[in-house]
Amino acid sequence: EPEVTQTPSHQVTQMGQEVILRCVPISNHLYFYWYRQILGQKVEFLVSFYNNEISEKSEIFDDQFSVERPDGSNFTLKIRSTKLEDSAMYFCASRDIAGTYNEQFFGPGTRLTVL
Amino acid sequence: AQTVTQSQPEMSVQEAETVTLSCTYDTSESDYYLFWYKQPPSRQMILVIRQEAYKQQNATENRFSVNFQKAAKSFSLKISDSQLGDAAMYFCAYRSAFGGATNKLIFGTGTLLAVQP
Repeated sequence: EPEVTQTPSHQVTQMGQEVILRCVPISNHLYFYWYRQILGQKVEFLVSFYNNEISEKSEIFDDQFSVERPDGSNFTLKIRSTKLEDSAMYFCASRDIAGTYNEQFFGPGTRLTVL
Repeated sequence: AQTVTQSQPEMSVQEAETVTLSCTYDTSESDYYLFWYKQPPSRQMILVIRQEAYKQQNATENRFSVNFQKAAKSFSLKISDSQLGDAAMYFCAYRSAFGGATNKLIFGTGTLLAVQP
């Protein structure tokens, strides 16, 4: 069964450093998402991406964040200058254009730790 | 803006018993989808069950069922014959049926379910 994959599973970085989180969505999916979950808190929407552009972003997704689909398979989230409060679990999700529920399929997440 | 509320931070159930997790939501939209996601200690988000607002029949997936009360904006999850593997954080989520490419999920704060042997 196709699945969303994310790398790395755990990233440790120093405050102020740039990080790139990678996701490989399910191959025939056209909509891509990033969500964030700070430890012990709820999952929060960051950004959605369709047709090579951002379709919606939350107030969390400020100028320090960017997303890119550099090729036909990867979908990346870049944080330019990490802050301590960026420490969280980051989930990528994708969905197809068809289907009754347009279900979003989640990857296993990347745990980002900013020291 | 839509909101999702889960009023039970933690719940506990005996193995083989039944437990109900509560979820309420607020929206002015007429059509939407509701989901329950399970997040075990591995933190992977796993879809448990889903419901479309215009469908009156409550969704069922094996031991999992929902009680969807549209007028009350309530969407509870019932787990029957609870198993040790059901222990996890459970999130209720809302998604608009409109919005096209966005269709972001809005999550509640979660309910941590413990299953006692």
